[in-house]
Amino acid sequence: EADIYQTPRYLVIGTGKKITLECSQTMGHDKMYWYQQDPGMELHLIHYSYGVNSTEKGDLSSESTVSRIRTEHFPLTLESARPSHTSQYLCASSDPHGTETNEKLFFGSGTQLSVL
Amino acid sequence: GENVEQHPSTLSVQEGDSAVIKCTYSDSASNYFPWYKQELGKGPQLIIDIRSNVGEKKDQRIAVTLNKTAKHFSLHITETQPEDSAVYFCAASWNTGNQFYFGTGTSLTVIP
Repeated sequence: EADIYQTPRYLVIGTGKKITLECSQTMGHDKMYWYQQDPGMELHLIHYSYGVNSTEKGDLSSESTVSRIRTEHFPLTLESARPSHTSQYLCASSDPHGTETNEKLFFGSGTQLSVL
Repeated sequence: GENVEQHPSTLSVQEGDSAVIKCTYSDSASNYFPWYKQELGKGPQLIIDIRSNVGEKKDQRIAVTLNKTAKHFSLHITETQPEDSAVYFCAASWNTGNQFYFGTGTSLTVIP
């Protein structure tokens, strides 16, 4: 069982609100990711980080921002939520160093966001 | 960049039958191919993976095959059970710590 946690599990908010989705991992992994998952299942990479103070944009353009001040913590923030942001958000981590088995991605349980 | 295609998008099988999900990739540099299972309300969980120096790998009822020449890999589930019902994703990556490219997912339903 992977030690990566996301809160909240479900969030319903009104348009224009600022929200932060939390993600923490206790495995000491350097690399962390945020994926947005459509209702049609496809996973889209929106942000990733190689380590502390590193953040990169993924393939899918997103109005969200991320920060990486600590290795274990990778929060995602939406300054002004809109209905188009309604989606499932999945956080993941991996360790790119060491043996080849460290390529594995570990996912959290996700946050289901609904913006009204 | 890499492009991973996955088929079928939905699959229904009778309990006890086998299920096969196929993926193709475009970048010949890809060398790591994991498969993830996502149950309802949960995040994807790694169930099996294969590296490009191996043609087949098996773990109990699940197996993965890789054809590097044709750039395709497949997930095989034998003796399916209702608890195998989930969404399955294939993925490809070409270097340790590099980005993972996912297929579009297959929703598997095992009918009791």
